[in-house]
Amino acid sequence: DAKTTQPPSMDCAEGRAANLPCNHSTISGNEYVYWYRQIHSQGPQYIIHGLKNNETNEMASLIITEDRKSSTLILPHATLRDTAVYYCIVRAYSGGGADGLTFGKGTHLIIQP
Amino acid sequence: GAVVSQHPSRVICKSGTSVKIECRSLDFQATTMFWYRQFPKQSLMLMATSNEGSKATYEQGVEKDKFLINHASLTLSTLTVTSAHPEDSSFYICSADPTTARTQYFGPGTRLLVL
Repeated sequence: DAKTTQPPSMDCAEGRAANLPCNHSTISGNEYVYWYRQIHSQGPQYIIHGLKNNETNEMASLIITEDRKSSTLILPHATLRDTAVYYCIVRAYSGGGADGLTFGKGTHLIIQP
Repeated sequence: GAVVSQHPSRVICKSGTSVKIECRSLDFQATTMFWYRQFPKQSLMLMATSNEGSKATYEQGVEKDKFLINHASLTLSTLTVTSAHPEDSSFYICSADPTTARTQYFGPGTRLLVL
């Protein structure tokens, strides 16, 4: 799976949009971009994923650049409960089944009151 | 999203004993489940892939005789830490992949403390 690069930490004011960047310059054509977050002492929570089109769900939006070498996760109105470590992961789905995920260090997002 | 549960959430055991951790997919079937380990202030590390009806696949450096994995049904995988030692104290997390979703969902984790 391709390697990702994320800033180690970010701050965001409560109520503002939090924009978390991720670089994945070696991404392959069949690799998806996934975002998970981990709140302290809990299992990771799935947020969103995409291949090349922008995606939106009830939690967040995912913006993928046209060349697919980077992406941004957007939390539109951050709350204190969004404080967590956010992981950007790229992976392919092979026809034979799923593989385990490779987690980097992620971005520790701190929402300030 | 799909729900994955783990039991127990916390366990304390004496050195030399064995501990079993269960991982269940509650609303979907999973032919494949995964086990991860997370030490304090570190990221999750994949330990092994659990395959229903066949042997688990272990990542390099993970002792298969120490971390026994059984995937007896399409909704249950168990991880047994045998002869646990203090260095096995960690946060163990499982995940499962509903094949129609192309997404892995994680359990809440089990915190193991070996005294």
